[in-house]
Amino acid sequence: QLVLTQSPSASASLGASVILTCTLTSGHRKFAIAWHQHQPGKGPRYLMRVNSDGSQNKGDGIPDRFSGSGSGAEYYLTISSLQSEDEADYYCQTWGTGIGVFGGGTRLTVL
Amino acid sequence: QVQMVESGGGVVQPGRSLRLSCAASGFRFSDYAVHWVRQAPGKGLEWVAAISYNGRHTYYVDSVKGRFTISRDNSKTTLYLQMNTLRSDDTAVFYCAREAGGIYSSGDLDVWGQGTTVIV
Repeated sequence: QLVLTQSPSASASLGASVILTCTLTSGHRKFAIAWHQHQPGKGPRYLMRVNSDGSQNKGDGIPDRFSGSGSGAEYYLTISSLQSEDEADYYCQTWGTGIGVFGGGTRLTVL
Repeated sequence: QVQMVESGGGVVQPGRSLRLSCAASGFRFSDYAVHWVRQAPGKGLEWVAAISYNGRHTYYVDSVKGRFTISRDNSKTTLYLQMNTLRSDDTAVFYCAREAGGIYSSGDLDVWGQGTTVIV
């Protein structure tokens, strides 16, 4: 079963960096994932795709402060120079045979 | 400007039906697979259904199989979700999203709408 696991919450100070983690189930380590940002009252925003080799493809207009990495079972979203508008829910997402999957999301609080 | 705009949400009684629409613009709609994703109150995003660029292939999460039907009209650049036998646990904001990669679908969802609310 294809499952993505994320920590429910994370926090970091304004101007600092934070790393969010997404873990794939052990039988799906060749899968790429995508990261999405979701702020209350808005549609989700595509941040990037991270391939199984760790390379990333960012969405249009995504600042350099956002970067993705990882491979195998673990993927990471790093947000540096945190700003107040980065406070949001962050979801990882992937796609299997005939089914889409989201992680449970990480709520990021900027202190 | 690439855009997807949902409509058709509302308040409906359990057991009734509702049809959502998603109007796409700013890109060649007929080249892309498209999806529906929902978020129930206080919950995370849940993938609901997808349809291939040509409409020949459809996919559903188990909880909506047999009740929801995804379809598209490429001439109208519009995606639909027909929802029948609605239940209280279908209450959610429904988003449409484009799958990246064009006809070489890549699985990641790179354009999202703003959502439409369904209350059952």
